[in-house]
Amino acid sequence: QKEVEQDPGPLSVPEGAIVSLNCTYSNSAFQYFMWYRQYSRKGPELLMYTYSSGNKEDGRFTAQVDKSSKYISLFIRDSQPSDSATYLCAMRTFQGAQKLVFGQGTRLTINP
Amino acid sequence: GAVVSQHPSRVICKSGTSVKIECRSLDFQATTMFWYRQFPKQSLMLMATSNEGSKATYEQGVEKDKFLINHASLTLSTLTVTSAHPEDSSFYICSANRDQRTEAFFGQGTRLTVV
Repeated sequence: QKEVEQDPGPLSVPEGAIVSLNCTYSNSAFQYFMWYRQYSRKGPELLMYTYSSGNKEDGRFTAQVDKSSKYISLFIRDSQPSDSATYLCAMRTFQGAQKLVFGQGTRLTINP
Repeated sequence: GAVVSQHPSRVICKSGTSVKIECRSLDFQATTMFWYRQFPKQSLMLMATSNEGSKATYEQGVEKDKFLINHASLTLSTLTVTSAHPEDSSFYICSANRDQRTEAFFGQGTRLTVV
């Protein structure tokens, strides 16, 4: 079993829809959780960074962390064609060498 | 957010030559940087952890003599792919953190093609 599981998709939704992206993890020592967006042939771009259970909102994006269930989500409201990309969840422990553990990434397409 | 710059963004080299990729943290000092490799439609695979002033720590299965890492200053880490072969063609990405409790920022990536 992988430490972080993420449905690779692909996921295709119409413009304006609410998108829900999810990751589950097995290591209860993970304390920091990130969502990255990656366009083709580009480096990952940080979207959200959280370190506690609950919700964090930034514009159209909401990150949700449930440590008791070892489950994190990213919600995208009013999705736009420009949101079409691969979304990667990543997490790490507090200790150690700051190494990130990534999910497989979900390919998302927003159709106009 | 913090800026991490990676150079070059694309490089084509002949088989048997060496290629150097630079990763710079532009507005903060990074004692630790990370190098990843990414194959098409796959997630990032950590290759090594670059530590300023000391030897890099390589992940299992990564040849340290093949992928030389130097972290000579708090703002610069370099990855040199030595004696490159076509199978080394890939997308290489670096990342850096301001400190232990902050998020990681990534460079733009370098697409290496070995012909």
